Amino acid sequence: GENVEQHPSTLSVQEGDSAVIKCTYSDSASNYFPWYKQELGKRPQLIIDIRSNVGEKKDQRIAVTLNKTAKHFSLHITETQPEDSAVYFCAASIAVGAGGTSYGKLTFGQGTILTVHP
Amino acid sequence: EAEVAQSPRYKITEKSQAVAFWCDPISGHATLYWYRQILGQGPELLVQFQDESVVDDSQLPKDRFSAERLKGVDSTLKIQPAELGDSAMYLCASSFGGGTSGSLLGGIIQYFGAGTRLSVL
Repeated sequence: GENVEQHPSTLSVQEGDSAVIKCTYSDSASNYFPWYKQELGKRPQLIIDIRSNVGEKKDQRIAVTLNKTAKHFSLHITETQPEDSAVYFCAASIAVGAGGTSYGKLTFGQGTILTVHP
Repeated sequence: EAEVAQSPRYKITEKSQAVAFWCDPISGHATLYWYRQILGQGPELLVQFQDESVVDDSQLPKDRFSAERLKGVDSTLKIQPAELGDSAMYLCASSFGGGTSGSLLGGIIQYFGAGTRLSVL
């Protein structure tokens, strides 16, 4: 089955700096890669996702890059703010299986605790 | 904005007791997922439903866990008997899903509920 490794496990930055979180996956059939942000005691919330037919996607201060050959993808947060402090999870899934069937099972990384110091 | 509803938010039980968690997905979402999240780790899938049918329960400990989604809407996850190692956050998620490739990529986004935190004493 799919295995997702995420690094680093903790990341501490100063406000205004950039933060980068990296993930690798094992199953070359995976084609959908979402990132979730989970604040303490709250539900995981999707912040950005990328499909395998795209190499990069950007949404304001957040960007995700995907290297299918190397089977790794990364989250980039620029101009970090204290409210960016949370646990970030990457995940991988096969969005379309054989015969066009949706599988959608997400395999998550272990999470990165991001702390942004004012 | 529609959200996935879960109850209870917190549950404390003694080992060997039975517990049940409830999830109501976003209206119209055909696919429902139960995940278990141990503190400090990412969520792990326990069971996935497409409408009322189970499509993946390979990681569900079937000797003590059961899940149902009888009418293809809300779902219940049960543990009987609970063990100390079951202490975790139980998250429910739903997605629009679908059976044809044309709508799949838009329907694959999973929306999570707030979870039920279970403590087994």
